[in-house]
Amino acid sequence: AQSVTQLDSHVSVSEGTPVLLRCNYSSSYSPSLFWYVQHPNKGLQLLLKYTSAATLVKGINGFEAEFKKSETSFHLTKPSAHMSDAAEYFCVVSETSYQKVTFGTGTKLQVIP
Amino acid sequence: NAGVTQTPKFQVLKTGQSMTLQCAQDMNHNSMYWYRQDPGMGLRLIYYSASEGTTDKGEVPNGYNVSRLNKREFSLRLESAAPSQTSVYFCASDRGTSEAFFGQGTRLTVV
Repeated sequence: AQSVTQLDSHVSVSEGTPVLLRCNYSSSYSPSLFWYVQHPNKGLQLLLKYTSAATLVKGINGFEAEFKKSETSFHLTKPSAHMSDAAEYFCVVSETSYQKVTFGTGTKLQVIP
Repeated sequence: NAGVTQTPKFQVLKTGQSMTLQCAQDMNHNSMYWYRQDPGMGLRLIYYSASEGTTDKGEVPNGYNVSRLNKREFSLRLESAAPSQTSVYFCASDRGTSEAFFGQGTRLTVV
């Protein structure tokens, strides 16, 4: 069975400082991993995905994530936060097809001016 | 470039009433999904359709029915709404490459 744990429900950073959103996963197979972003009252948008190619994955808006199999982690980072990054972020794991995805419970990112 | 379109955006129902949430995608995707989002619980899959004419239960199907009307449209029906079905509902579609595209959601309140 697969599972995903987002370690922080809320993260607060100052504008211009680094962002770290943590995600650990559990999977019996080699999983596909995703990060989605949801702005208030909007749908979910794919930020980036890992599907067994390069372990460092670059996404949109300057975000990137590193797949670390030994630590079963897929943390999301950004060097410098922008006010527009304030949103909720979801880590997602999939073992087979997209029908079998599991969503994390989300991390709300607050960016302080 | 519409993507995934859901209607309505907001709805208030009384307990016991029925309604259908509509979803349409214009990306020629085979697979479509209905999720519900509740605070602190992420998104949970209600039903999905891997192709036109097929539907399957997800994690939380009780109290819901679905119809894959054609390749574009996938509707979710609540036959007898209950307060526990108060949630935000998202429709999504994907082309089989593990990247899903989401609608903007329907915020449903059952009183």
